[in-house]
Amino acid sequence: DAGVIQSPRHEVTEMGQEVTLRCKPISGHDYLFWYRQTMMRGLELLIYFNNNVPIDDSGMPEDRFSAKMPNASFSTLKIQPSEPRDSAVYFCASSFGWGYTFGSGTRLTVV
Amino acid sequence: AQSVTQLGSHVSVSEGALVLLRCNYSSSVPPYLFWYVQYPNQGLQLLLKYTSAATLVKGINGFEAEFKKSETSFHLTKPSAHMSDAAEYFCAVSGPTGGGNKLTFGTGTQLKVEL
Repeated sequence: DAGVIQSPRHEVTEMGQEVTLRCKPISGHDYLFWYRQTMMRGLELLIYFNNNVPIDDSGMPEDRFSAKMPNASFSTLKIQPSEPRDSAVYFCASSFGWGYTFGSGTRLTVV
Repeated sequence: AQSVTQLGSHVSVSEGALVLLRCNYSSSVPPYLFWYVQYPNQGLQLLLKYTSAATLVKGINGFEAEFKKSETSFHLTKPSAHMSDAAEYFCAVSGPTGGGNKLTFGTGTQLKVEL
């Protein structure tokens, strides 16, 4: 199993640009989570899906953030427009029962 | 609401010494508790989990943790530190209803292992 696959690994973009982060969960996992990690705020849950349906998006910081899961094998997190304070490492994780598996993350830098 | 508090953002031990990383939880329902490790530029890897079975939980890489309800604690230990244990460690809590419950993480403890 290749694990949870995130792309890109690194993204540098200019303020105001649209950024799309991608995640491929482990096959058979029915939950998918998006987390953000910063020095100041630690690990924050942004949104999670069950069977492709968003369950809780209360952690999404602003309307500039949106997430979709069009099918069981793919999810995106979009930021439009991006701002410097969005700079962070974004992790995707998937689970079935208690087997949470995290991807390697996308390091986003907004300049 | 559930939360965990990790005491000590940085812990330094000598190679071969005992590792003790502290975690206290707050939960209105029976908690499920986890320890994750994060190596530089990598994602989080599950070390061990407590899901209401045995209170002493053994994990990977020689780590273990003991659930103590009376102390609301779930401290992580390893008898003898190795250089490869240097990493950041996160305690996390969730509810008892399976994968749909989100994990709430502590602020992390950076473990340094010195020769």
